[in-house]
Amino acid sequence: AQSVTQPDIHITVSEGASLELRCNYSYGATPYLFWYVQSPGQGLQLLLKYFSGDTLVQGIKGFEAEFKRSQSSFNLRKPSVHWSDAAEYFCAVGGNTDKLIFGTGTRLQVFP
Amino acid sequence: SAVISQKPSRDICQRGTSLTIQCQVDSQVTMMFWYRQQPGQSLTLIATANQGSEATYESGFVIDKFPISRPNLTFSTLTVSNMSPEDSSIYLCSVQNTDTQYFGPGTRLTVL
Repeated sequence: AQSVTQPDIHITVSEGASLELRCNYSYGATPYLFWYVQSPGQGLQLLLKYFSGDTLVQGIKGFEAEFKRSQSSFNLRKPSVHWSDAAEYFCAVGGNTDKLIFGTGTRLQVFP
Repeated sequence: SAVISQKPSRDICQRGTSLTIQCQVDSQVTMMFWYRQQPGQSLTLIATANQGSEATYESGFVIDKFPISRPNLTFSTLTVSNMSPEDSSIYLCSVQNTDTQYFGPGTRLTVL
């Protein structure tokens, strides 16, 4: 079955600290992987995506993610978190034109 | 990318009434999607709306409850019919642009 697991429901970090949000997927074909961010009361904004090639992808706002096929993972990282990064983060998987399957999300809280 | 707008941004409705949500995109796209995000939950796909064909609904969603129109390549509507408090959610439209889905800002619906 196709699925996305985000094991961490809620993460709290201090401003300036590093961040890693976990994402594991199950998908029967070559996965297209995405990270989206949703600020309170807003829609979803695309942070980054992976289709093929270099397994370390760079996104907007200083985020990066690493695709590890052997672990079926696509973890999101940021070396230094800013207070404005507080939001809900969603990992998603799909095919070329398939529907997206979303994880349950990780809520990030940033303390000054 | 694509710039997507939705109307209304939010609404409060009475039980038993219907609400039509509009989604407008700034470029022509073949595939549009409608999602529901219940409070504190992830996104669930309601249906896929391709121009020139009937919408394809996901399991658990039916056309009588969520009729969709797709009159052209830049516009779609979703109607939430005979609403109940359980329909209180954020409804988001998205568009497929090459390999990536881009999302609108969402419509926050509260049913009393």
